Amino acid sequence: KQEVTQIPAALSVPEGENLVLNCSFTDSAIYNLQWFRQDPGKGLTSLLLIQSSQREQTSGRLNASLDKSSGRSTLYIAASQPGDSATYLCAVNQHGSSNTGKLIFGQGTTLQVKP
Amino acid sequence: DGGITQSPKYLFRKEGQNVTLSCEQNLNHDAMYWYRQDPGQGLRLIYYSQIVNDFQKGDIAEGYSVSREKKESFPLTVTSAQKNPTAFYLCASSLLTGKRYGYTFGSGTRLTVV
Repeated sequence: KQEVTQIPAALSVPEGENLVLNCSFTDSAIYNLQWFRQDPGKGLTSLLLIQSSQREQTSGRLNASLDKSSGRSTLYIAASQPGDSATYLCAVNQHGSSNTGKLIFGQGTTLQVKP
Repeated sequence: DGGITQSPKYLFRKEGQNVTLSCEQNLNHDAMYWYRQDPGQGLRLIYYSQIVNDFQKGDIAEGYSVSREKKESFPLTVTSAQKNPTAFYLCASSLLTGKRYGYTFGSGTRLTVV
């Protein structure tokens, strides 16, 4: 059974610091991995999507890497800002019997960036 | 702009009452999903649909029902059989089969039992 783990559960950093969020998964049979951001009481906003054949994706100050063989992904945030404060969720799109695959989530890392 | 619209944002249910959560998308996505989010438990899949008039149970379908009469719409009914319905409900959609495409989520509905 696929399990997705995110470490740490919470993180507090001063503004301007570079930081790394970690995501690990137990079954490498995935189509892709997606990083989301969730603000309190809000829905999920997609940040980056990495296909299983890719090693990394970049968008602005964000860079996500994927090492499928070791079951790990990292989300790197450069020059953090208070506006980056949110919960970051990692989800793997798992191979399954249906055509849709199955999106399985970690429990998230709650980030606070202090001014 | 294309996206997913969930309504209402907040919903209150009395004991023994059925309530329906709305989810509409104008992204021309084929597949639609319902997730439930509880503190400390992450997101769990309730139901999903790949095509009109077809849907499958997810991991926690008991006490819920869905319909997919139109490609754009995938309403979720929380029935009185769901013993602990208080949660944040999220609707999502994806292109084709979702294998190579990401998921897009709505803004959520917070359901509270009163």
